[in-house]
Amino acid sequence: DTGVSQDPRHKITKRGQNVTFRCDPISEHNRLYWYRQTLGQGPEFLTYFQNEAQLEKSRLLSDRFSAERPKGSFSTLEIQRTEQGDSAMYLCASSFALAGVETQYFGPGTRLLVL
Amino acid sequence: EDQVTQSPEALRLQEGESSSLNCSYTVSGLRGLFWYRQDPGKGPEFLFTLYSAGEEKEKERLKATLTKKESFLHITAPKPEDSATYLCAVQDLMNRDDKIIFGKGTRLHILP
Repeated sequence: DTGVSQDPRHKITKRGQNVTFRCDPISEHNRLYWYRQTLGQGPEFLTYFQNEAQLEKSRLLSDRFSAERPKGSFSTLEIQRTEQGDSAMYLCASSFALAGVETQYFGPGTRLLVL
Repeated sequence: EDQVTQSPEALRLQEGESSSLNCSYTVSGLRGLFWYRQDPGKGPEFLFTLYSAGEEKEKERLKATLTKKESFLHITAPKPEDSATYLCAVQDLMNRDDKIIFGKGTRLHILP
């Protein structure tokens, strides 16, 4: 069990550019979540996948954001035409859900700065 | 709407000075309450899951308790390495998306 990994750890971009982040979940986990966290706040839910199906998207996820999990393993989160308000830590979490409570394990995050 | 409120926002303690962090929550039905530790610039690290009122869990100097409206994270004889932000989160039985709702956290600083 190597834990959840995210790449890159840091990204600086100019306003208007596109960025893509990758998340590799714990191997046996079937659910993968994306969260966004700004300074002094707790993580906020963006979207999640069960296997390769994207099951829910938050109202926070504008049309500029898209996420994929093509083979039910790793996931990518793309932000098009970045804005300064997109600057935040983007966190990925994974869990194994059968029934009842599931525990989500987080990766180290990708810190995005939009200039 | 689900809500999680943590208090205090920040807490400074001397090494060895025990204290408690509070997490008040509002959900339609509690599926689970989670405590995480987060160090600066890192992702949250899982500590505990509590399922029902009256439940308690312990890990080293930390003990988490749960009532129907709040949870406490008790820290006994803390050390400087316990300094971190502690996040509380809940999962609502009625949410079909299974997302967890986080509080803003309590920033804990233990002085040597």
